[in-house]
Amino acid sequence: NAGVTQTPKFQVLKTGQSMTLQCAQDMNHNSMYWYRQDPGMGLRLIYYSASEGTTDKGEVPNGYNVSRLNKREFSLRLESAAPSQTSVYFCASRGMEGGMTDTQYFGPGTRLTVL
Amino acid sequence: GENVEQHPSTLSVQEGDSAVIKCTYSDSASNYFPWYKQELGKGPQLIIDIRSNVGEKKDQRIAVTLNKTAKHFSLHITETQPEDSAVYFCAAALDGNNRLAFGKGNQVVVIP
Repeated sequence: NAGVTQTPKFQVLKTGQSMTLQCAQDMNHNSMYWYRQDPGMGLRLIYYSASEGTTDKGEVPNGYNVSRLNKREFSLRLESAAPSQTSVYFCASRGMEGGMTDTQYFGPGTRLTVL
Repeated sequence: GENVEQHPSTLSVQEGDSAVIKCTYSDSASNYFPWYKQELGKGPQLIIDIRSNVGEKKDQRIAVTLNKTAKHFSLHITETQPEDSAVYFCAAALDGNNRLAFGKGNQVVVIP
């Protein structure tokens, strides 16, 4: 049981390049989330997926798109990267194992630098 | 939207002493309040949480208290140990989708 996994761990892009951050969970969770973490800013929600087949915007969605590929996988895409998107990106999932739970489990993060 | 603030930003304590971190939130509809610990280079890990129908919750050396009237909640760590050194984040969830609004984090340093 690996929990929440994210790839890649590190990435450097040039302005204007595109890339997709991958996230997968093996806990059979319904909900998945993408956050970004900037120094001194805490974590801010980019997009979330309450269940397979649905996605919704969070606090800072501009410049990003997401895909809930199936119940396990939730990807985040940057179509045209900008230096302002330099950040650490975390994926999280939440499920209902053993009854209702509010707990979000976080992955190890992807550190992205846009030059 | 929900606004969560954490104080103080940095806290240094002697090993064995207690540490208290306080958070305030703005939306009275928020009903779930988790605390996360983040070590360097890792993702946040839940250490304790509380729902709005409970005033206090304890798990070994860690406790959380909630004051709904004042809209604040606090993390209490007793008998601090060096491994408690980390960044701690509080958060508040507003709705059934569990969208979390995070505070900016507190750096806790436990001095041996």
